[in-house]
Amino acid sequence: DTAVSQTPKYLVTQMGNDKSIKCEQNLGHDTMYWYKQDSKKFLKIMFSYNNKELIINETVPNRFSPKSPDKAHLNLHINSLELGDSAVYFCASSHGGRDTQYFGPGTRLTVL
Amino acid sequence: QKEVEQNSGPLSVPEGAIASLNCTYSDRVSQSFFWYRQYSGKSPELIMSIYSNGDKEDGRFTAQLNKASQYVSLLIRDSQPSDSATYLCAVKGLGSGNTGKLIFGQGTTLQVKP
Repeated sequence: DTAVSQTPKYLVTQMGNDKSIKCEQNLGHDTMYWYKQDSKKFLKIMFSYNNKELIINETVPNRFSPKSPDKAHLNLHINSLELGDSAVYFCASSHGGRDTQYFGPGTRLTVL
Repeated sequence: QKEVEQNSGPLSVPEGAIASLNCTYSDRVSQSFFWYRQYSGKSPELIMSIYSNGDKEDGRFTAQLNKASQYVSLLIRDSQPSDSATYLCAVKGLGSGNTGKLIFGQGTTLQVKP
């Protein structure tokens, strides 16, 4: 059974389009995260939700909007995609903020 | 100055040797330190965490923390080709305990040659 899953695994789209990435965890965790990993492998946190409440909102363009319908799901919607948005996006989850974070398989987004 | 710094490598060691990976951090009040391993095309996987000064051993892995020098390292003994991956150092600050905010270094690529 997959602990943290993401869909889709690959996403190729044109500049200006709007796309969503979905994340689900079946670990019973209450905290979920979105990270962006650029082409140089640098992994940077974007957002974090605890019990559906936004607790981390890094300096991210407001074209990015996370949504957490419940504790087990965290989605990422991106409007007006730009070339610089091309990256691998990882979802992660943990028990609160103090526990180990478990990462999903990643979504490779390519903007053409 | 980057918050968490690692030498990007690649670090190349022969099979059976000790691989030494280093990381420095800028926030003096950082509390928690982690090493993640990431194989090419895969997601990061936690291999070690360390919270107090000194050494922590787990199998072939030893994490070392020196808060005075703001330095954390990972030693891999008896390196195997399967250890070839990128190793990410991550730091959690004093105020990040509840939020879980991790600051990652850029990673060090390790190559273990048979």
